[in-house]
Amino acid sequence: DTGVSQDPRHKITKRGQNVTFRCDPISEHNRLYWYRQTLGQGPEFLTYFQNEAQLEKSRLLSDRFSAERPKGSFSTLEIQRTEQGDSAMYLCASSLGDFKNEQFFGPGTRLTVL
Amino acid sequence: ELKVEQNPLFLSMQEGKNYTIYCNYSTTSDRLYWYRQDPGKSLESLFVLLSNGAVKQEGRLMASLDTKARLSTLHITAAVHDLSATYFCAVNTDKLIFGTGTRLQVFP
Repeated sequence: DTGVSQDPRHKITKRGQNVTFRCDPISEHNRLYWYRQTLGQGPEFLTYFQNEAQLEKSRLLSDRFSAERPKGSFSTLEIQRTEQGDSAMYLCASSLGDFKNEQFFGPGTRLTVL
Repeated sequence: ELKVEQNPLFLSMQEGKNYTIYCNYSTTSDRLYWYRQDPGKSLESLFVLLSNGAVKQEGRLMASLDTKARLSTLHITAAVHDLSATYFCAVNTDKLIFGTGTRLQVFP
């Protein structure tokens, strides 16, 4: 399968725990995006990378959130000291070239914080 | 701040009927996307509209873009139950800004 992959697909954690999600973009795609979708809402932009450089972070991305893309390939999104409000679907997307090109979405990671 | 608004938010329609979902956005953009999302699933790309006047059709769905009016429409023809899902439009700046979504329910 050459699409965007995300791991894990589901994560249940207790409040206060740290969690880390991984996204593997389509091979050769230089741009990688993270979005968050809460129940009944549209996805909201969190951050994006061009190669290994993190170029923009949303105000939604509090200091408990950190994202990396160390070698310009896969990316990780870590949430520290999770809160119930972090419960959401975390979507990763990748694209080739500049922002004008279509983003392709992965299957998402559903996080439930108890 | 760029805003993308869809209406209606919820649409319940009978099989065989036609209806249109509207997507309005507040800034200049010539790239607009439509996605379908089934419950608990990720986004499925339906249409990519890249210029003013663009019209694309796939099966019972047809999307159009009017960049001057900052309006896109998704028209449903002769709805069937399999079209039941949530539909999102999204405007591409340097990231995607999504609309509020339209939850479509088609009943017999």
